[in-house]
Amino acid sequence: EPEVTQTPSHQVTQMGQEVILRCVPISNHLYFYWYRQILGQKVEFLVSFYNNEISEKSEIFDDQFSVERPDGSNFTLKIRSTKLEDSAMYFCASSGTSGAQETQYFGPGTRLLVL
Amino acid sequence: LAKTTQPISMDSYEGQEVNITCSHNNIATNDYITWYQQFPSQGPRFIIQGYKTKVTNEVASLFIPADRKSSTLSLPRVSLSDTAVYYCLVGDQVYGNKLVFGAGTILRVKS
Repeated sequence: EPEVTQTPSHQVTQMGQEVILRCVPISNHLYFYWYRQILGQKVEFLVSFYNNEISEKSEIFDDQFSVERPDGSNFTLKIRSTKLEDSAMYFCASSGTSGAQETQYFGPGTRLLVL
Repeated sequence: LAKTTQPISMDSYEGQEVNITCSHNNIATNDYITWYQQFPSQGPRFIIQGYKTKVTNEVASLFIPADRKSSTLSLPRVSLSDTAVYYCLVGDQVYGNKLVFGAGTILRVKS
């Protein structure tokens, strides 16, 4: 069964550093998403991406965040200058082949720890 | 997006059937009901989706009454590995729409 993959599984960084989280969505999907989950809290939507542009973003997704699909397979989330409160699990998801019902498939996540 | 209400937690024993009910009084005509499962330190996983009546797959059944203001996820004969958080989501399921997760129901299965 096709699946979404994410690398790295864990990332530790110093406050103020840039991090890039990588995702390989399911190959024939058209819509891509990033969500995050702070420890013990809800899964929160960050951004959705379609046709090489952002379709929707949440208020969490400020100027420190950016997304890119550089090569037609990878989908990346960049945090330009990390803060302590960016520590969370970051999940990539993809969806959108055909049919009336939309299901998002999530990757295993990247655990980001900002020190 | 319709607001959902589900129990914070439930306990069960192996081999029992578990029913988790979700209330969604403000469900709209175009909304579907979708359930996701999340194990610790993993991403949410789609379980089942329905619009009305009953839907069954190899994992679960979803019961939706005629008024669609609630739905019940039924897990037959749970095992320890079914211990997870279960989320009920309601939305129009248009491509590209964000998923809005609530707190979910923590299901603990005991031996």
